[in-house]
Amino acid sequence: SQTIHQWPATLVQPVGSPLSLECTVEGTSNPNLYWYRQAAGRGLQLLFYSVGIGQISSEVPQNLSASRPQDRQFILSSKKLLLSDSGFYLCAWSSEQAMNQPQHFGDGTRLSIL
Amino acid sequence: QQPVQSPQAVILREGEDAVINCSSSKALYSVHWYRQKHGEAPVFLMILLKGGEQKGHDKISASFNEKKQQSSLYLTASQLSYSGTYFCGTARGAGSYQLTFGKGTKLSVIP
Repeated sequence: SQTIHQWPATLVQPVGSPLSLECTVEGTSNPNLYWYRQAAGRGLQLLFYSVGIGQISSEVPQNLSASRPQDRQFILSSKKLLLSDSGFYLCAWSSEQAMNQPQHFGDGTRLSIL
Repeated sequence: QQPVQSPQAVILREGEDAVINCSSSKALYSVHWYRQKHGEAPVFLMILLKGGEQKGHDKISASFNEKKQQSSLYLTASQLSYSGTYFCGTARGAGSYQLTFGKGTKLSVIP
């Protein structure tokens, strides 16, 4: 069966520090991968998605970036965090084999910027 | 364009029914429903496809009204475990992988 792992679970970082969040998927090949951000009490905002290694599409201009160095690894990064980067970051995957497949979410990373 | 969910919040007693609506100003191709419990990740419930049938999962079912550009989630005989925030996500196009999520409907089921 497929599983998705995200780490760390929680992170407290000072403003201006760098960021690296990692997400890996097991049990499937060539998944579609997604990064979402959820502000407190709000909906899910799609940040990046990827349909293959090295293929990243950005949804919202910001100081975050994403990379997919391996088929089942998705990394969210920042060189300098802002206060507004606080939130709950979720990685998700879906099957590339057909359209209209469900997205399956990792447990998320709660990021607090001080 | 973000779909609009209504109501924003609802409180039910165990055993009562509820309906959550998800409306779009653009044509709908598919609608995904998720439930998120506090502090946890969203969990997939079901997908409704354009031209598809009404779906069901235990006592939770959903419909897709193409003409109204709306999907509705029906929770029947609610249980305490149904509490959480329900999100609808709409596909951006016929062949799109990306979803645009509504702001969510917070459902609280009390004894």
